[in-house]
Amino acid sequence: DGGITQSPKYLFRKEGQNVTLSCEQNLNHDAMYWYRQDPGQGLRLIYYSQIVNDFQKGDIAEGYSVSREKKESFPLTVTSAQKNPTAFYLCASRPPGQGASGYTFGSGTRLTVV
Amino acid sequence: KQEVTQIPAALSVPEGENLVLNCSFTDSAIYNLQWFRQDPGKGLTSLLLIQSSQREQTSGRLNASLDKSSGRSTLYIAASQPGDSATYLCAVDNTDKLIFGTGTRLQVFP
Repeated sequence: DGGITQSPKYLFRKEGQNVTLSCEQNLNHDAMYWYRQDPGQGLRLIYYSQIVNDFQKGDIAEGYSVSREKKESFPLTVTSAQKNPTAFYLCASRPPGQGASGYTFGSGTRLTVV
Repeated sequence: KQEVTQIPAALSVPEGENLVLNCSFTDSAIYNLQWFRQDPGKGLTSLLLIQSSQREQTSGRLNASLDKSSGRSTLYIAASQPGDSATYLCAVDNTDKLIFGTGTRLQVFP
């Protein structure tokens, strides 16, 4: 079955560490997205990529980095510069074409700073 | 800047009731609007997608309407069941990204 796989499901980070969250899709979608979800707040966009080797900052990109070397993969690195990284992270993808199809989301990674 | 608001923030109803969840947005220049369901600690499940040229979409007991000119969408849930308990999120798609509301947390009790 086609879908989005996020790993790990739970991740613990020590102060000062960089950690990388994985997102893989087999839907043949061009566009991929990373969102952050905090309790009581809506999902906020971190980074997105419309095509391989290209990506744009979202609303809260500070302290995060991404790469898009393959169409199927869009990993997110949470750097030590991100002061409050504890949150639920969701990856999404969308096929090409404006408004033609909706977004598909993964099952999320919960990151906790210890 | 697009802003999305969902009302009510929380709702608790007995089983069998028909429900209306509301979503409003400030910029009517959208490509589409998508309703999602989220169970605690889980990802988002797409429920309905309404393209900008459409007025409504239906799936089983769910019906979503869209009025672009007034910046509003409603999600209607018929004959609610305890299994419908979840958070419902509305999101609008413009300029190639989804903008989300903060959701309506629904509890349906037996």
